[in-house]
Amino acid sequence: KQEVTQIPAALSVPEGENLVLNCSFTDSAIYNLQWFRQDPGKGLTSLLLIQSSQREQTSGRLNASLDKSSGRSTLYIAASQPGDSATYLCAVMKGTDKLIFGTGTRLQVFP
Amino acid sequence: AAGVIQSPRHLIKEKRETATLKCYPIPRHDTVYWYQQGPGQDPQFLISFYEKMQSDKGSIPDRFSAQQFSDYHSELNMSSLELGDSALYFCASSVNRGDNSPLHFGNGTRLTVT
Repeated sequence: KQEVTQIPAALSVPEGENLVLNCSFTDSAIYNLQWFRQDPGKGLTSLLLIQSSQREQTSGRLNASLDKSSGRSTLYIAASQPGDSATYLCAVMKGTDKLIFGTGTRLQVFP
Repeated sequence: AAGVIQSPRHLIKEKRETATLKCYPIPRHDTVYWYQQGPGQDPQFLISFYEKMQSDKGSIPDRFSAQQFSDYHSELNMSSLELGDSALYFCASSVNRGDNSPLHFGNGTRLTVT
């Protein structure tokens, strides 16, 4: 059974710091891995998708890496801003339809 | 850009009542997914549809059913509601089921069962 774990569970940092959020999964047979952002009471915003054959993806200040053999992904956020404050969810796609989510990292960036 | 539209945003029902949640995917997206997120929990996959046919099924109770219509919108029907059904229900869509197609989520329907 696929299990997805994220650490840390919560993180509070001053503005401007570079951050690393970690995600690990137990079954390396994944279709892809996706990182989402969720603001309180809101929907999930897709940040990055890494196909199973890829090693990393970049979008602006965000960079996500994938090491399937070790079952790990990291989300790197450069020069963090207060607007980055949210919960970040890692999810692996099992088959073509089923996303299995981690429990998230709650990030707070203070000015 | 158009996003996934869900209605209603909030719904309050009593135990044993029924509820219908609606989802309008992004235009030209052919796959719709339903997820349930309980308080303080991560989203759990319920069911998905591809080209109006059920594609995959997760932890969806027998009391729930869903379908995708000819215009690609989807509805989640929930009957004999229980207190434990109170949750945020998300719909998501994707342009296809390829491994490079991210899921785009709506803002969800918050269901409260009293």
